[in-house]
Amino acid sequence: AQSVTQLDSHVSVSEGTPVLLRCNYSSSYSPSLFWYVQHPNKGLQLLLKYTSAATLVKGINGFEAEFKKSETSFHLTKPSAHMSDAAEYFCVVSEATGFQKLVFGTGTRLLVSP
Amino acid sequence: NAGVTQTPKFRILKIGQSMTLQCTQDMNHNYMYWYRQDPGMGLKLIYYSVGAGITDKGEVPNGYNVSRSTTEDFPLRLELAAPSQTSVYFCATQPGQVLSGANVLTFGAGSRLTVL
Repeated sequence: AQSVTQLDSHVSVSEGTPVLLRCNYSSSYSPSLFWYVQHPNKGLQLLLKYTSAATLVKGINGFEAEFKKSETSFHLTKPSAHMSDAAEYFCVVSEATGFQKLVFGTGTRLLVSP
Repeated sequence: NAGVTQTPKFRILKIGQSMTLQCTQDMNHNYMYWYRQDPGMGLKLIYYSVGAGITDKGEVPNGYNVSRSTTEDFPLRLELAAPSQTSVYFCATQPGQVLSGANVLTFGAGSRLTVL
């Protein structure tokens, strides 16, 4: 069975400082991994995805994530936070064996202060 | 191109009432999903459909029903509303089955339901 653990429920950073949101996964097969962002009162939007190609994945708005199989991690980073990055972020795992049953992490709320 | 449209955006129900959350997509996607989002719990899959006429239960189907008579529409019905169904509900779509790689979900804006 697959699972995903987001290690921090809240992360607070100052504008202009780096962002690190941590995600560990468990999967019996070669997983596909995603990060989604949810702004207040909005639906979820895809930030980036890993599908067994390059291990360093670049997404929208300057975010990137690195797939590390040895550590079963898929941490999300951004070099410099912007106020508009304040949102909830979800790490998602899917076993690419046909039907895409996705398992969502519990989310990390990113707070950005001026 | 509207994408995934959910209605209503907000609704307050009394215990025991019934209602239908509507979901419509104009992307001709085969797969459709209903999730509920509770604080601190991530998203849980309620029901899904891989095409018109085909539906199946997800992780938390109790208290809900769905139908898929067309590719475009995937309504979620609550027959006897309970306070435990207070949540934010998201409809999502996906182009179709793949053997490798990953198709991305497209989400609606959500429907916030409160049962009192």
